[in-house]
Amino acid sequence: AQTVTQSQPEMSVQEAETVTLSCTYDTSESDYYLFWYKQPPSRQMILVIRQEAYKQQNATENRFSVNFQKAAKSFSLKISDSQLGDAAMYFCAYRSLKYGGATNKLIFGTGTLLAVQP
Amino acid sequence: GAVVSQHPSRVICKSGTSVKIECRSLDFQATTMFWYRQFPKKSLMLMATSNEGSKATYEQGVEKDKFLINHASLTLSTLTVTSAHPEDSSFYICSASPSGVNYGYTFGSGTRLTVV
Repeated sequence: AQTVTQSQPEMSVQEAETVTLSCTYDTSESDYYLFWYKQPPSRQMILVIRQEAYKQQNATENRFSVNFQKAAKSFSLKISDSQLGDAAMYFCAYRSLKYGGATNKLIFGTGTLLAVQP
Repeated sequence: GAVVSQHPSRVICKSGTSVKIECRSLDFQATTMFWYRQFPKKSLMLMATSNEGSKATYEQGVEKDKFLINHASLTLSTLTVTSAHPEDSSFYICSASPSGVNYGYTFGSGTRLTVV
């Protein structure tokens, strides 16, 4: 069974600085998706970024980028130029492609609570 | 696109009563929807996978008779908490994904259930 581990329960960053959130996972599959979701105080889950395992190039979305190391099964999220609105709980998630389509469940890590200091 | 609507956002009910939570995909068809439970500052715990036109698949340890799931159409799944007790108080979230694996799952805004 797949597992996702986030070893940093809480992180803090100064506004405008850069922070990296760690995520490791365990799987025997070769094809899968990885995601970072953000959950602000409103508790609405927001997709931040996704990475297809077959792509070697790291995904980027504006100030958000990932460092995907498939062999090491590591998937960290880097937030550049941190803003107050980035303060939230961040979840790393794994999605198998074993059965295709939209039927594969997401497996979540335990989350990292990010505080942004002004 | 890919919007999931969840209602109600908050509900308070008396112990022993039942509560229904709705999850709708507004602009896509969802043959599969997922129901999660989340405790404060904790991760999302998958409760069950809702399948349109068939029985839901429950995760180990989740009581099927307490958490009734119905997925009667391609755009609507409901979670009914039956005979609710204070320990059922929690935050419940649904999610779904349009067909095509390029999408991440879209989540509803969640329902905060308080049983008094």
